[in-house]
Amino acid sequence: DVKVTQSSRYLVKRTGEKVFLECVQDMDHENMFWYRQDPGLGLRLIYFSYDVKMKEKGDIPEGYSVSREKKERFSLILESASTNQTSMYLCASSLRGGMNTEAFFGQGTRLTVV
Amino acid sequence: AQSVAQPEDQVNVAEGNPLTVKCTYSVSGNPYLFWYVQYPNRGLQFLLKYITGDNLVKGSYGFEAEFNKSQTSFHLKKPSALVSDSALYFCAVRAPNTGFQKLVFGTGTRLLVSP
Repeated sequence: DVKVTQSSRYLVKRTGEKVFLECVQDMDHENMFWYRQDPGLGLRLIYFSYDVKMKEKGDIPEGYSVSREKKERFSLILESASTNQTSMYLCASSLRGGMNTEAFFGQGTRLTVV
Repeated sequence: AQSVAQPEDQVNVAEGNPLTVKCTYSVSGNPYLFWYVQYPNRGLQFLLKYITGDNLVKGSYGFEAEFNKSQTSFHLKKPSALVSDSALYFCAVRAPNTGFQKLVFGTGTRLLVSP
């Protein structure tokens, strides 16, 4: 069974803290994504990676960075957490091309910044 | 730029009745289209996709969707709704000719099936 695992379901952090969200996939997928989900806004892409050490900005990269040192792991970093980064964060992975390009999602991390 | 619109925030249907959740898209070239479902406090689960071929695609849990190129639509349908179908549904589009295969989501439609 395919699996994308996010390290935490719930996190509470203080304003100004550096926050790491970890995501691991076991499907040997090339692509990995970080989205944030907010009511009424759907899913917005923060960053995308199509290979180890490669990254592309999504629609809302400000205040975030990412790291992909190994194919199976994609980390999202909040350099200095702010209250407007309180949200549900979803990690996903997919194959790069071909017919089977649907994305598989982790269970989500609900981050609260106080 | 590619985009997806889900015009209804919520759809209400009685159990046993057919349901439709609407989705329209805007993309250059031939789109890849997807539907996902999200249950409370969970990640998204893949339901079905259109890549090429038959315009009517069938997916998990009895759902199907019809690709209509002239209307740029990809509506999700089910002949007979179940209470357990109540969830948040997302339509998504990927344009294969974009630089990094960006997957763009709609804002979601909450489906409420009443007993």
